[in-house]
Amino acid sequence: DIQMTQSPSSLSASVGDRVTITCRASQSISSYLNWYQQKPGKAPKLLIYAASSLQSGVPSRFSGSGSATDFTLTISSLQPEDFATYYCQQSYSTPYSFGQGTKLEIK
Amino acid sequence: QVTLRESGPALVKPTQTLTLTCTFSGFSLSTSGMCVSWIRQPPGKALEWLARIDWDDEKYYSTSLKTRLTISKDTSKNQVVLTMTNMDPVDTATYFCARMGVDSSGYLYFQHWGQGTLVTVSS
Repeated sequence: DIQMTQSPSSLSASVGDRVTITCRASQSISSYLNWYQQKPGKAPKLLIYAASSLQSGVPSRFSGSGSATDFTLTISSLQPEDFATYYCQQSYSTPYSFGQGTKLEIK
Repeated sequence: QVTLRESGPALVKPTQTLTLTCTFSGFSLSTSGMCVSWIRQPPGKALEWLARIDWDDEKYYSTSLKTRLTISKDTSKNQVVLTMTNMDPVDTATYFCARMGVDSSGYLYFQHWGQGTLVTVSS
């Protein structure tokens, strides 16, 4: 099974900051990497698919990059509504797997 | 508009079998390429993928849980059912169903989610 490791597990930042979250796969997954945002009590929301493709309706301040085993999610200028938990997920092969999450908190 | 809604018992006893139903609209699971997954999330913890069923009835399961899980579909009712046997308190979680999307290059992702249903396992 493919293991996904995110870092950091938590992050404090201010509105307007640039933030980067990383995700590493235990083996090459090409670009089969997705990013989700989850707010308390809500279902996850797809932000980025195929490592770098922005889901329709998602603000352009979100971007993704990477391939093979190393990936990043970048938020170029944090907005108040961006404080949430972020998960990466590989869809290269079943069983699918998620990272452990990165909780983005207000500094 | 695609919608999914999970339903099932809020409380089950240890050793019992859990049956959850995902009722969806806005797509047909008989359409080529469609697939639906179940994902769970224990309180305060990360997401965990459980199972997937495809339009052609192909099924895939979590390695660690495959002996306890069964996924099935009723295309005429627009439903996907997940059963999990021998429930334990560690299975307490919010259970989500999600429809997968696929882009032109074949990349898969969880595009549409239900709101989730919390299942507590306790005697």
